[in-house]
Amino acid sequence: DAGVTQSPTHLIKTRGQQVTLRCSPISGHKSVSWYQQVLGQGPQFIFQYYEKEERGRGNFPDRFSARQFPNYSSELNVNALLLGDSALYLCASSLNLNEQFFGPGTRLTVL
Amino acid sequence: KQEVTQIPAALSVPEGENLVLNCSFTDSAIYNLQWFRQDPGKGLTSLLLIQSSQREQTSGRLNASLDKSSGRSTLYIAASQPGDSATYLCAVDETSGSRLTFGEGTQLTVNP
Repeated sequence: DAGVTQSPTHLIKTRGQQVTLRCSPISGHKSVSWYQQVLGQGPQFIFQYYEKEERGRGNFPDRFSARQFPNYSSELNVNALLLGDSALYLCASSLNLNEQFFGPGTRLTVL
Repeated sequence: KQEVTQIPAALSVPEGENLVLNCSFTDSAIYNLQWFRQDPGKGLTSLLLIQSSQREQTSGRLNASLDKSSGRSTLYIAASQPGDSATYLCAVDETSGSRLTFGEGTQLTVNP
């Protein structure tokens, strides 16, 4: 079975632009979570979706938004990019809201 | 607010040594605790999951323990190998799969 997949792998944007990151969970998993990992730090929770509804939100500004589709894939959108948004964005899926399995991440660079 | 601390931040050992990585958390009301491995620039690989009702979990050369009352977990790696070199992250889940709170990790280097 394929693991969690994320696209794109790398992305370079300029300040003020908007970006969309995509995640496909492990087959059968209905929960998707998003995390931001700045270099040298542990990941920080951004959002969780379960059965297409937002179940949790971390301490991130409204420039960050997400959604989950009927096939349980998810998108993370970030508007008005800042230099500080440069990070590795990780997606995780879970079968039963217990153990979380992470994808390879999307490396976002904001210039 | 839950805070997770990992000590040491970095560790360098010779091949074959047994080692212990430490994780502490401030709020003992957790649902589970997970240990992850992260290679440079890559995603996270789940190593072990310990439910709040459990005391330890084992997988191969890895053993993780959990002491909820004292807010501590340890990851024991036996007979370390150069391939074990990576950053090891500890994360606690307080709300049944809603969100993980991570420590900053321990960067492990195993020298041949």
